[in-house]
Amino acid sequence: ETGVTQTPRHLVMGMTNKKSLKCEQHLGHNAMYWYKQSAKKPLELMFVYSLEERVENNSVPSRFSPECPNSSHLFLHLHTLQPEDSALYLCASSQLRGSYGYTFGSGTRLTVV
Amino acid sequence: AQTVTQSQPEMSVQEAETVTLSCTYDTSESNYYLFWYKQPPSRQMILVIRQEAYKQQNATENRFSVNFQKAAKSFSLKISDSQLGDTAMYFCAFMKSSGSSNTGKLIFGQGTTLQVKP
Repeated sequence: ETGVTQTPRHLVMGMTNKKSLKCEQHLGHNAMYWYKQSAKKPLELMFVYSLEERVENNSVPSRFSPECPNSSHLFLHLHTLQPEDSALYLCASSQLRGSYGYTFGSGTRLTVV
Repeated sequence: AQTVTQSQPEMSVQEAETVTLSCTYDTSESNYYLFWYKQPPSRQMILVIRQEAYKQQNATENRFSVNFQKAAKSFSLKISDSQLGDTAMYFCAFMKSSGSSNTGKLIFGQGTTLQVKP
């Protein structure tokens, strides 16, 4: 399988649940990203991992916890979310400097009830 | 901080006609990259075209071309011979040029929804 794969495609969770989003890339990239896409808002960069180290955390609440165990996999662990966290969560990968752009997955549509 | 502005929330065009989507950005950097991404209903963001700021020549990719005006900080996308499959949300994005050890970060505009009508 090629490209960037995100699972699950849809997720509905209660505010007290714990869940994880998974992202996998088979492109040989060494940087990975999490973005949040809400209606009527620009895409918000949440986290950046470069060579498996977190290099950016854009003031994201601690109820979102990223994990990058290797250069091919990226997780976003979710706990005690709020309804306003409902959004499309997009994963992307790139070569280190990203100057040729990112390759995105199809996202996970998260609904918090 | 860099910002990207797309002033057209929605646009429509007849099939086979040409449409131009606008994008402006604000930066104090001299070297950077600009991108247009397409997000169809399938949700996956697809890279349409890329421009390097130090290159004066406008990038083209088949039916897609840009008008890059560096002094005006403008980066518009022209779609020629529009097709029904071009219906999507289009995002303009900016990335400043980083050092060899830094990871570039894409900053997106708000997006323009394009409807191609038969």
